[in-house]
Amino acid sequence: NAGVTQTPKFQVLKTGQSMTLQCAQDMNHEYMSWYRQDPGMGLRLIHYSVGAGITDQGEVPNGYNVSRSTTEDFPLRLLSAAPSQTSVYFCASRFHRDTGAYGYTFGSGTRLTVV
Amino acid sequence: AQSVSQHNHHVILSEAASLELGCNYSYGGTVNLFWYVQYPGQHLQLLLKYFSGDPLVKGIKGFEAEFIKSKFSFNLRKPSVQWSDTAEYFCAVNAGTGNQFYFGTGTSLTVIP
Repeated sequence: NAGVTQTPKFQVLKTGQSMTLQCAQDMNHEYMSWYRQDPGMGLRLIHYSVGAGITDQGEVPNGYNVSRSTTEDFPLRLLSAAPSQTSVYFCASRFHRDTGAYGYTFGSGTRLTVV
Repeated sequence: AQSVSQHNHHVILSEAASLELGCNYSYGGTVNLFWYVQYPGQHLQLLLKYFSGDPLVKGIKGFEAEFIKSKFSFNLRKPSVQWSDTAEYFCAVNAGTGNQFYFGTGTSLTVIP
């Protein structure tokens, strides 16, 4: 089925470990983004990309890196995990020039716990 | 900077009650407006959207929203809620040709059977 696929669904890390959250979409969407969801704070944008080779920071980028080597994939890397990065992470994608018609398609989320 | 305000953090209703969730945004230009729903343990799904035309938009599952430009509002309504509407609801704004969405902090709706 077409959509946004995130892996893993759950992950527990120790403080200081690094890991990569994977995100792939098969809808040929130019725009991809990573959000974190925390209680009482809604969704906050971490990083986004408007196309292959182009990335930019969102509202809360510190401690995270991204790259966009292909249109389909947009991995999120945690460089040195901290307890403050315990959260649910969502990847989302959309067409770049047709925002009004479609909005975002979200992945199913990754629940990350840093101990 | 843009912002999106959802003033109702947690709403509790009995089945068959009417629902209205508030959403206000701060941006003076052309906007695209969205409501997303997140059922427990699931990802966000698009409920409805407005980008032009009739300011009263209808979405899935009997939800509707009204865009009032003069009030910078996009409130979500449903005449009669069901237990299955228990979820978190997020309002989102995308402004003109901007690249980013701005989400509200969400409203948690609990419907009591």
